[in-house]
Amino acid sequence: NAGVTQTPKFQVLKTGQSMTLQCAQDMNHEYMSWYRQDPGMGLRLIHYSVGAGITDQGEVPNGYNVSRSTTEDFPLRLLSAAPSQTSVYFCASSYEADRLGAFFGQGTRLTVV
Amino acid sequence: AQKVTQAQTEISVVEKEDVTLDCVYETRDTTYYLFWYKQPPSGELVFLIRRNSFDEQNEISGRYSWNFQKSTSSFNFTITASQVVDSAVYFCAFEDSSYKLIFGSGTRLLVRP
Repeated sequence: NAGVTQTPKFQVLKTGQSMTLQCAQDMNHEYMSWYRQDPGMGLRLIHYSVGAGITDQGEVPNGYNVSRSTTEDFPLRLLSAAPSQTSVYFCASSYEADRLGAFFGQGTRLTVV
Repeated sequence: AQKVTQAQTEISVVEKEDVTLDCVYETRDTTYYLFWYKQPPSGELVFLIRRNSFDEQNEISGRYSWNFQKSTSSFNFTITASQVVDSAVYFCAFEDSSYKLIFGSGTRLLVRP
């Protein structure tokens, strides 16, 4: 049981490049979400999904796209990377009935130069 | 709008001291969940506790205890007899009815030997 798996763990991008952060969970959780963590600001919600085929914006969605074609996967796409997107990104999943609290991936540290 | 405030940015204690981390939230919802997470220096997010808005019973788990007071919108976390391994950033979070987590900015706890 791997839980929530994020890849890659580290990434350096040049301004303007695009990339996809991968997130997969094997717990059959309906709810998945992406957060970014910046120093002194806690975690802020980027996008979330309440099930396959359904996504919605969080607090800071600009510059990011998501899709949810399967229950297991919830990739986050940076369309044209900017230095302001330098951050640590966390993917999380939750199970509706138990609401045990979100299960978080290990995080992806992204630097945009 | 929902909001979580952790007024203590950083706390430093000597090992074996008790320490309380404060969390105050704002919401108009009647049904919600509150969480505490720990983020050790390694960077992962560790779920500590969940409490729903209908359960004001305080809880003790080993050296950890939580004090939920709906009347003051507070959900404080106490570590008894702190240890060096408790050094981490602690986040309080609020979950609304759509399963979105809203985090406070975190409290950095440093336990000195």
